[in-house]
Amino acid sequence: AQSVTQLDSQVPVFEEAPVELRCNYSSSVSVYLFWYVQYPNQGLQLLLKYLSGSTLVESINGFEAEFNKSQTSFHLRKPSVHISDTAEYFCAVSESGQGAQKLVFGQGTRLTINP
Amino acid sequence: DAGITQSPRHKVTETGTPVTLRCHQTENHRYMYWYRQDPGHGLRLIHYSYGVKDTDKGEVSDGYSVSRSKTEDFLLTLESATSSQTSVYFCAISGAGFHNEQFFGPGTRLTVL
Repeated sequence: AQSVTQLDSQVPVFEEAPVELRCNYSSSVSVYLFWYVQYPNQGLQLLLKYLSGSTLVESINGFEAEFNKSQTSFHLRKPSVHISDTAEYFCAVSESGQGAQKLVFGQGTRLTINP
Repeated sequence: DAGITQSPRHKVTETGTPVTLRCHQTENHRYMYWYRQDPGHGLRLIHYSYGVKDTDKGEVSDGYSVSRSKTEDFLLTLESATSSQTSVYFCAISGAGFHNEQFFGPGTRLTVL
């Protein structure tokens, strides 16, 4: 079975500052890793994913995450945040392979951007 | 946006009553999922479906049942609602091919009094 721990429940930062949202996972099998974003009163949207290959993955809006197998981590970073990045962010893991993608989510990190 | 709708969007009910939530997709995706979201727990998988009439349990399936009689509809039923089932319920869909992302619906907020 897999588990995901997001180390910070809330992260306040100032606009244009860098941010890192931490995610650690536990699994006895090979996994895929995901970051989802949830804006207020909406469903979740995929931000980025790691399946295989390059350990650094990027999103279209400037976020990036690096898969670190030895530290079982998949931290999310952005060098300069905007007010519009205010949202809740969820790290998730699924077992690699074919079939249904049974996601296991972390508890979420609420990112608040202050002007 | 992926074509996923959930109904109702909000519901208030009383303990012991049956409740059915509906998820409808227009994408013809094979896989459908039901999650619940609770503060401090993130999202947890309740049940999922891998085809018409093919379903399986997730992490928190006790007290819930599901049915999928058509590709486009996935129903979640609480046979006898309890206050611990007060939550926001999300449906998600994904296509064939394991790497395909899951697309989430807008959610249903259920309150059990």
